[in-house]
Amino acid sequence: EPEVTQTPSHQVTQMGQEVILRCVPISNHLYFYWYRQILGQKVEFLVSFYNNEISEKSEIFDDQFSVERPDGSNFTLKIRSTKLEDSAMYFCARNRGDSGNTIYFGEGSWLTVV
Amino acid sequence: RKEVEQDPGPFNVPEGATVAFNCTYSNSASQSFFWYRQDCRKEPKLLMSVYSSGNEDGRFTAQLNRASQYISLLIRDSKLSDSATYLCAVNMNTGFQKLVFGTGTRLLVSP
Repeated sequence: EPEVTQTPSHQVTQMGQEVILRCVPISNHLYFYWYRQILGQKVEFLVSFYNNEISEKSEIFDDQFSVERPDGSNFTLKIRSTKLEDSAMYFCARNRGDSGNTIYFGEGSWLTVV
Repeated sequence: RKEVEQDPGPFNVPEGATVAFNCTYSNSASQSFFWYRQDCRKEPKLLMSVYSSGNEDGRFTAQLNRASQYISLLIRDSKLSDSATYLCAVNMNTGFQKLVFGTGTRLLVSP
């Protein structure tokens, strides 16, 4: 059973369009993350979200990206104006709060920008 | 020096073989260490956490060497189903923060 449920599983969008990727945790946790993986490259941290606020973000997470938890359940990643280089797998992840900071990933959303 | 570095492989081994992967990290203040397994176009799945005392889970053994700043993963009696990419991940902060991943080591187990 996945730790979080992500939708859509795959989205194709035109360059310049806005995209919203969604993540629904199985249970109520405070720590969430977005990571991305460009095809053939390593998994990269984008942003961490704690108690409804961004706690840390990477250099990749520029003004084109935003995250929110609008209804206290769904956790979204928005890309305002997609670029070709945004094509990647985007993983939502959560921390169970156990010792060791173990992070568990969702099944991912494939984003293809054309 | 890269934050987390792995040999990309591939490592081609026959069934039943023992194979070991290493992963080096640059930040001596790193706190937590993990091995994930990733199948093609799937999410990383936690294989095991790595502790200073080392830990073992069935055919898998992980070790941490803080002095030399590397972690290792040993797989005994390789199975065909072990074919995957093995990702090393390091948490460099003390809080519930980000993981830094290596590029992964690809393992191919053949009959």
